Amino acid sequence: NAGVTQTPKFQVLKTGQSMTLQCAQDMNHNSMYWYRQDPGMGLRLIYYSASEGTTDKGEVPNGYNVSRLNKREFSLRLESAAPSQTSVYFCASSIEWDSDTYEQYFGPGTRLTVT
Amino acid sequence: AQSVTQLDSHVSVSEGTPVLLRCNYSSSYSPSLFWYVQHPNKGLQLLLKYTSAATLVKGINGFEAEFKKSETSFHLTKPSAHMSDAAEYFCVVSGDGANNLFFGTGTRLTVIP
Repeated sequence: NAGVTQTPKFQVLKTGQSMTLQCAQDMNHNSMYWYRQDPGMGLRLIYYSASEGTTDKGEVPNGYNVSRLNKREFSLRLESAAPSQTSVYFCASSIEWDSDTYEQYFGPGTRLTVT
Repeated sequence: AQSVTQLDSHVSVSEGTPVLLRCNYSSSYSPSLFWYVQHPNKGLQLLLKYTSAATLVKGINGFEAEFKKSETSFHLTKPSAHMSDAAEYFCVVSGDGANNLFFGTGTRLTVIP
């Protein structure tokens, strides 16, 4: 039982390049989330997927797209990377979205640098 | 609207002394509140959560937090710090009952041997 896994762990991109961050969970959770973590700002929600087949914008969705490929996998795509997207990206999952009694489980993060 | 203020960006304590990490919140609803810990280069782990049951919440690794509605506070405490407690701690409030979390900016805890 690996929990939430993310690939890659590190990535360096040039401005304008594209890439996809991968996330998978093996806990049979319905809901999945993408956050970014910037120094001094805590974590901010980019997109979430309440259930398979649905996605919704969070607090900071501009410049990103997501795909809920199946129940296990939730990917985050940067179509044209910008230096402002330099950050640490965390994927998380929870049993359901519609109750805050369910704990979110976090992956180890992807450290992305855009030059 | 929901928001969280962590009053200290950095706290330094000696090993074996008490830990106090302060958090104030603002919420339009009856909030659920959480403390998460992040060790260096790791993901976040839930320490404890308050969801309108007992106001004194016990978590893992000897941590506790007390929900005080009159003070809109949810401070995290531990009687005796251990070296392994050195990490970043995040106070988190949920939004409108859904699993939509709002994070504070974090408090870095340093434990001095």
